[in-house]
Amino acid sequence: SQQGEEDPQALSIQEGENATMNCSYKTSINNLQWYRQNSGRGLVHLILIRSNEREKHSGRLRVTLDTSKKSSSLLITASRAADTASYFCATYSPYSGGGADGLTFGKGTHLIIQP
Amino acid sequence: NAGVMQNPRHLVRRRGQEARLRCSPMKGHSHVYWYRQLPEEGLKFMVYLQKENIIDESGMPKERFSAEFPKEGPSILRIQQVVRGDSAAYFCASSPPTSGALNEQFFGPGTRLTVL
Repeated sequence: SQQGEEDPQALSIQEGENATMNCSYKTSINNLQWYRQNSGRGLVHLILIRSNEREKHSGRLRVTLDTSKKSSSLLITASRAADTASYFCATYSPYSGGGADGLTFGKGTHLIIQP
Repeated sequence: NAGVMQNPRHLVRRRGQEARLRCSPMKGHSHVYWYRQLPEEGLKFMVYLQKENIIDESGMPKERFSAEFPKEGPSILRIQQVVRGDSAAYFCASSPPTSGALNEQFFGPGTRLTVL
């Protein structure tokens, strides 16, 4: 699997339910960032979690990071129709060489919130 | 405080033509990154620039693609002799000089290039 791979690829839930998306990566990272992309639009930065942090909250978002398992999860609580979008995790690994200065993105999880 | 600006938003070119994509970073940001996104895919890093310097172009195709970030004006991603496989969304991101090891990047709306 590639660096920053999200799981599941697609998720459909009812409005009001919680949505959980997972991200796995391969190399050591400096930080991991989650982005949202609405269809045909640019990316919106949601949250950044550093490698020495385990959990972070921002509004209805909760991100966890487990560096021993090289995985992260994004939880959206009390989902709304407006949360429908693709969600990407991106890792920053300045020590990995080759594209070290850019973020490495996964393919994303497409989240659909049904009213 | 305007965000990252990209223009044009949509660009149509015929095979063999040149495509020029522009990116103006957020005010106060001196670091610019270009990414390419193919349909149903995540973003792939192409190049990282600071004013008048290419810092990392490890993700850039070796031929036909070039990027610059002059002292004055926007960053330009230039694709010469475009082919159908260049059709994609091209995103620019910027970060402030103080971002340091965090590398928190802010993205523009993208330019959707279609090669006929």
